[in-house]
Amino acid sequence: QKEVEQNSGPLSVPEGAIASLNCTYSDRGSQSFFWYRQYSGKSPELIMFIYSNGDKEDGRFTAQLNKASQYVSLLIRDSQPSDSATYLCAVNSWLDSSYKLIFGSGTRLLVRP
Amino acid sequence: DGGITQSPKYLFRKEGQNVTLSCEQNLNHDAMYWYRQDPGQGLRLIYYSQIVNDFQKGDIAEGYSVSREKKESFPLTVTSAQKNPTAFYLCASIKTPDGLNTEAFFGQGTRLTVV
Repeated sequence: QKEVEQNSGPLSVPEGAIASLNCTYSDRGSQSFFWYRQYSGKSPELIMFIYSNGDKEDGRFTAQLNKASQYVSLLIRDSQPSDSATYLCAVNSWLDSSYKLIFGSGTRLLVRP
Repeated sequence: DGGITQSPKYLFRKEGQNVTLSCEQNLNHDAMYWYRQDPGQGLRLIYYSQIVNDFQKGDIAEGYSVSREKKESFPLTVTSAQKNPTAFYLCASIKTPDGLNTEAFFGQGTRLTVV
């Protein structure tokens, strides 16, 4: 079982719609959860982080965390073509006596004009 | 300005050659990480270090080596034992991996190609 799983996509939404990206993780002891956006050929950039159960909003972005279900999601409201990118879910887990930042394989988002 | 600097941006390696990728940070972060990314794939952990003079293997350490002699620097050597090294390599740092402020900051990456 992969430690962090994402649907590879592509997820295609029309401009102005809500894009919903999902991620599950296997380590129940994980404390920190992150969403990164990566444009082709570039390094990842942090979009959101969340530590507590519930929702966290920042502009058009909302991160949702459900530790009981080991599930974290990212909602993008009013999607724009410039949001087209790969979105990486990352989880900070205590593994092998140290903290490791583990990434999912990413979901490619395509926003159609 | 604080940040993470990776060099070179592009690197070409001949068969059987060792090459070293540089990663330097001036953020005073404790932990540093090396990831490999293949086309259309996510980030896979190669090595990581949480304190100076200590580092751990990640999921795909074979054919790679690292050192952490200074807090600011975490170079990655791709050895001839790594049979398929062509990939995008990313270095990241985290302030304190055991706290809640564990967001990673990334360098701009090094694209390594075997010729």
